[in-house]
Amino acid sequence: EVQLLESGGGLLQPGGSLRLSCAASGFTFSTYALSWVRQSPRKGLEWVSVIRGSGDGTDYADSVKGRFTISRDNSKNTLYLQMSSLRAEDTAVYYCAKDPLPYSSGYYGFFDYWGQGVLVTVSS
Amino acid sequence: EIVMTQSPDTLSVSPGERATLSCWASQSVTSNLAWYQQKPGQAPRLLIYGASTRATGIPARFSGSGSGTEFTLTISSLQSEDFAVYYCQQYNNWGTFGQGTKLEI
Repeated sequence: EVQLLESGGGLLQPGGSLRLSCAASGFTFSTYALSWVRQSPRKGLEWVSVIRGSGDGTDYADSVKGRFTISRDNSKNTLYLQMSSLRAEDTAVYYCAKDPLPYSSGYYGFFDYWGQGVLVTVSS
Repeated sequence: EIVMTQSPDTLSVSPGERATLSCWASQSVTSNLAWYQQKPGQAPRLLIYGASTRATGIPARFSGSGSGTEFTLTISSLQSEDFAVYYCQQYNNWGTFGQGTKLEI
């Protein structure tokens, strides 16, 4: 059974930094692209970042480019999102999400499994 | 950025009836369109991808159609567990989501 379990959320002030983790199980971790998707009442669902299975390719939404860094440790079956220079508009539930099929050279960009989500609140 | 627009925002339907949800893209996304269902406190659940292919385990009462810029999700006979919020997502060019349609009793 595929499981994705996020952790690391919390309340922090504007300008702060935070690292989210997503522990995965139930599939061959290194062969699937993984993404972070966030959801807020203001902006709805927003794809934040994606990383290829091998970890050698990443992409970001314009809204987080230069502030967020996605990474993965295939030896630990764990996905990360390092967030810095946080803003109030980054407040959201952050989900990690899995591509539906293995894709060695890219990603599909839709998601067959999602974690339960972790809340990040940026407020002074 | 491709903007996805869903209609209506809220749809009131009775159990056993048919529901039709619409989704428009601001430019062609070919058939790279997915539908998700989300219930309160839960993550989205993939229903349809490739505009019309049901995901694993999704009942046959869910069907998707369309291509280019206009798409439809149809639920043929609503069950009590189908009342939720539905989102479309294009993944042709840096995936973007619609604002959602709330399906209520």
